[in-house]
Amino acid sequence: GPKVLQIPSHQIIDMGQMVTLNCDPVSNHLYFYWYKQILGQQMEFLVNFYNGKVMEKSKLFKDQFSVERPDGSYFTLKIQPTALEDSAVYFCASSPDWGSSYEQYFGPGTRLTVL
Amino acid sequence: AQSVTQPDARVTVSEGASLQLRCKYSYSGTPYLFWYVQYPRQGLQLLLKYYSGDPVVQGVNGFEAEFIKSNSSFHLRKASVHWSDSAVYFCAVPLTGFASALTFGSGTKVIPCLP
Repeated sequence: GPKVLQIPSHQIIDMGQMVTLNCDPVSNHLYFYWYKQILGQQMEFLVNFYNGKVMEKSKLFKDQFSVERPDGSYFTLKIQPTALEDSAVYFCASSPDWGSSYEQYFGPGTRLTVL
Repeated sequence: AQSVTQPDARVTVSEGASLQLRCKYSYSGTPYLFWYVQYPRQGLQLLLKYYSGDPVVQGVNGFEAEFIKSNSSFHLRKASVHWSDSAVYFCAVPLTGFASALTFGSGTKVIPCLP
């Protein structure tokens, strides 16, 4: 079936540095999402994105976070600066349209470790 | 606020035996309900969904789930487990206050074993 790719699979960085997580969504999908899963906890919604804009964001989507998808390339999550509590697995997802927006296709995740 | 509870972190089941994974939710009104599956090193995939109508919904690979409103449950079932069902299964409902976001249970890892 359709696949969402995430690059890299693992990332280790020092606290205070910037990190960009990359997501290659399903090619004809229009809606994009990021979720965060801290080890041992449930996956939680961060943000969704459509037509170049953030549509909704949770309180977990801190000011240090930003998302973009320039010119149909990767959908990215940037964290600048990173903090220890940003260590988690970040899952990207996409969906074809708003009507089926709960039917989301997920990538395998990027494990981010902030030292 | 909504919540999803999957009380079993791991379930070991003999190949060929039946399987039931439990999911209870807390949600205002009648929710949309979802089961997702995550195979090793892959992203979450939608297994089945309930929006309305027949409370028993069929999914892929022989899975089905039953919505029981009086019990606030949406348990997942399979009549005969195969080794390829080894995965983590997540129950999900829409996140209250958002038009296009999900909240997930903590997941149940299914471990098939030889009978």
